[in-house]
Amino acid sequence: GAGVSQTPSNKVTEKGKYVELRCDPISGHTALYWYRQSLGQGPEFLIYFQGTGAADDSGLPNDRFFAVRPEGSVSTLKIQRTERGDSAVYLCASSLYPLGGYGYTFGSGTRLTVV
Amino acid sequence: QKEVEQNSGPLSVPEGAIASLNCTYSDRVSQSFFWYRQYSGKSPELIMSIYSNGDKEDGRFTAQLNKASQYVSLLIRDSQPSDSATYLCAVRQNYGGSQGNLIFGKGTKLSVKP
Repeated sequence: GAGVSQTPSNKVTEKGKYVELRCDPISGHTALYWYRQSLGQGPEFLIYFQGTGAADDSGLPNDRFFAVRPEGSVSTLKIQRTERGDSAVYLCASSLYPLGGYGYTFGSGTRLTVV
Repeated sequence: QKEVEQNSGPLSVPEGAIASLNCTYSDRVSQSFFWYRQYSGKSPELIMSIYSNGDKEDGRFTAQLNKASQYVSLLIRDSQPSDSATYLCAVRQNYGGSQGNLIFGKGTKLSVKP
């Protein structure tokens, strides 16, 4: 696609529910990144995929968070047993060069609200 | 944990002035540095990248890098009200398996007054 596409743009869920956030990267981009951004903060790294595999998942806050990229393109971030503290904007980015030396392009984000 | 520090502002400058945004980073071996602009309610967009010591100019924007001082700055000349946004400094991690992901500062909010 022309840009990084994230769906849904907004998601409201009840505490304890399961949610899935989807990211469709720019066509041909092999590297894909998930970040989350809370109000007044910079984006916080969650996980980085190179192809189908997670190259670095050190930013996932706990085992309630999981992400997959089964075919090396679309990725899904999965959050189990959501908590109010999970409320944030979840940003996805992709990069043509895996080492990110050229920076990367963000999608428009998914605003997750846990009530 | 590698850190990127920015003054959160807000930084207020009059239209036509030079806005100076600063950033320091903790990882001495970092090699790639980026400035992103984020308008309220929007996602960050890349405006500058810099890899070598010195200045890099692109239109009204100049990025400056001093690796010895672990300092990156962004100058915006002839500031316009449309430049009002939060500016995020980002540094690429460069250790272990973390090559590729960027570490962001909290951002500096810039307000350009007409």
